[in-house]
Amino acid sequence: EVQLLESGGGLVQPGGSLRLSCAASGFIFSNYALSWVRQAPGKGLEWVSGISYSGGSTHFADSVKGRFTISRDNSKNTLYLQMISLTAEDTGVYYCAKNVAYSYGSNYGMDVWGQGTTVTVSS
Amino acid sequence: QSVLTQPPSASGTPGQRVSISCSGSSSNIESDYVWWYQQLPGTAPKLLIYTNNQRPSGVPDRFSGSKSGTSASLAISGLRSEDEADYYCATWDDSLSVWVFGGGTKLTVL
Repeated sequence: EVQLLESGGGLVQPGGSLRLSCAASGFIFSNYALSWVRQAPGKGLEWVSGISYSGGSTHFADSVKGRFTISRDNSKNTLYLQMISLTAEDTGVYYCAKNVAYSYGSNYGMDVWGQGTTVTVSS
Repeated sequence: QSVLTQPPSASGTPGQRVSISCSGSSSNIESDYVWWYQQLPGTAPKLLIYTNNQRPSGVPDRFSGSKSGTSASLAISGLRSEDEADYYCATWDDSLSVWVFGGGTKLTVL
């Protein structure tokens, strides 16, 4: 069974940093692209970032560009999201999602999602 | 303001057929596949429809998707109480180079 398990969320002050992790199992991790999608309280879904199967290609939403870094360790079957300079607008549930192929781009959507980890940015 | 436009709410009675629309543009829906996700209350999104009209295994054939030009729609026939959820359309935007989602439609089964 394909599973994604996020961790690392919590309460952080504005301007602070946090690193999220997503541990994967049940599929050949190094063959698939991965994405982070977030959901602010009571709001809709927002794609935050994607990373290709090898880590050689990444993309970010404009709202996080320059502040968030996505990476992966294929030897540990783990995806990461490093977040810095956090603001209240970054508060929400962060989901890790598996893309259906080696790329996260055009036509390669997300088929499996983790249960999410909650990030709260507040003083 | 979402790049893809969905009605904020929809409703129907058990057994009815409901349809949820998703409107975009030439840089997203018209040029790429549309994906639909179901989010039950308090849970993670779940893939419902991929590449416009394909159902993953385990998704009932009551759910169907279609696309025409810059719009797409999700249809649910034989509505059941367990279909009460939020539904999101999604696609890649070639101009923005990001995945874009609709604002979501809350489906109520009366």
